[in-house]
Amino acid sequence: SQKIEQNSEALNIQEGKTATLTCNYTNYSPAYLQWYRQDPGRGPVFLLLIRENEKEKRKERLKVTFDTTLKQSLFHITASQPADSATYLCAFYILTGGGNKLTFGTGTQLKVEL
Amino acid sequence: ETGVTQTPRHLVMGMTNKKSLKCEQHLGHNAMYWYKQSAKKPLELMFVYSLEERVENNSVPSRFSPECPNSSHLFLHLHTLQPEDSALYLCASSQDRYQGAGYTFGSGTRLTVV
Repeated sequence: SQKIEQNSEALNIQEGKTATLTCNYTNYSPAYLQWYRQDPGRGPVFLLLIRENEKEKRKERLKVTFDTTLKQSLFHITASQPADSATYLCAFYILTGGGNKLTFGTGTQLKVEL
Repeated sequence: ETGVTQTPRHLVMGMTNKKSLKCEQHLGHNAMYWYKQSAKKPLELMFVYSLEERVENNSVPSRFSPECPNSSHLFLHLHTLQPEDSALYLCASSQDRYQGAGYTFGSGTRLTVV
């Protein structure tokens, strides 16, 4: 079955630096890959979507890449700020007949320090 | 608010109680979902409704019973729960199940079973 792996260890970086989070998957490539942000006690908030035929997507300080050869997506936050501290989840949307669904990784906690 | 409203935010219930979680969206979305989020685990998809019809039930125990009376409302009825059912229950909606659009999540109900 499809597995999604995100680094379970928290990532601590200094304000102003670029944060890079990794999402790896096994087996077949998803049709869509999404990234969400989740704050403690809240629901995830959708950030970006990238399709399997796209290499890169940008939105303000956020950038997502999708490498189907490496079976990996990277999520970058440039010029990071303490307000970016949160848990970031990647999710795969696989198109399979009637069983399309969004499957999530466990998330990586990001801490941006002053 | 994200556009998806969940009530109550917190719920403590005994194992013999019956309670219901409510979810409401006025985004015009056609698909709604219940997810369970436990500590250190990825979000687990419980139920999927598309155009008010249940299209997926991921081997969820019968003590959880969903109801979707119309496209804007989703309920999760709970009865005779176990302590291991304590978790954050998240409702989400999306435009449909096939376009890969981002999900909009509610803030969740933090459920504690005592």
